[in-house]
Amino acid sequence: DQQVKQNSPSLSVQEGRISILNCDYTNSMFDYFLWYKKYPAEGPTFLISISSIKDKNEDGRFTVFLNKSAKHLSLHIVPSQPGDSAVYFCAASGNQFYFGTGTSLTVIP
Amino acid sequence: KAGVTQTPRYLIKTRGQQVTLSCSPISGHRSVSWYQQTPGQGLQFLFEYFSETQRNKGNFPGRFSGRQFSNSRSEMNVSTLELGDSALYLCASSLAPQGVSNQPQHFGDGTRLSIL
Repeated sequence: DQQVKQNSPSLSVQEGRISILNCDYTNSMFDYFLWYKKYPAEGPTFLISISSIKDKNEDGRFTVFLNKSAKHLSLHIVPSQPGDSAVYFCAASGNQFYFGTGTSLTVIP
Repeated sequence: KAGVTQTPRYLIKTRGQQVTLSCSPISGHRSVSWYQQTPGQGLQFLFEYFSETQRNKGNFPGRFSGRQFSNSRSEMNVSTLELGDSALYLCASSLAPQGVSNQPQHFGDGTRLSIL
């Protein structure tokens, strides 16, 4: 049973515009959420995280929003750059990390 | 600081064989987790080791096993390989076990296993 879901397998965005990647989870006990970025032939790298006691965390061009009542988090990238083209995984922490299936972002120059 | 190192990077095996993959965590990291990545399935958790003990195990058959050594290096073994075992196997390390401390895991670049 997939406890963390990314329902959009892919997303295309023009350079300079905003990219919004979405993630839903089912377990209200999750207390920490993360986003990872993965380039082909490389392992995932940590991007940004948020604790369940917050609803927003910002780091440069990347902002993660958490809506606990909806069990939903999103990653905003603004402005999007071609180098942001990668697969993005969201993850939630309970007794272990649970990962979504990933969203492939393509930023078009 | 050296990152997580996985060897080999690529491996080709045939059905019925067995395989051992290796992972060296970041120095000082005692938690090592293994994941299987296949298209459309994301990262599926295999197991986690901390201080040479398996802490957690995912929903995989007993053909998948692992161990951790006193220097925190870990190995994963898959016996009686099946075509469906073709995947990218990722190892991740962290200072503390999963669920104990909210620290992100650091991933290696993975071992691409292909079963013919």
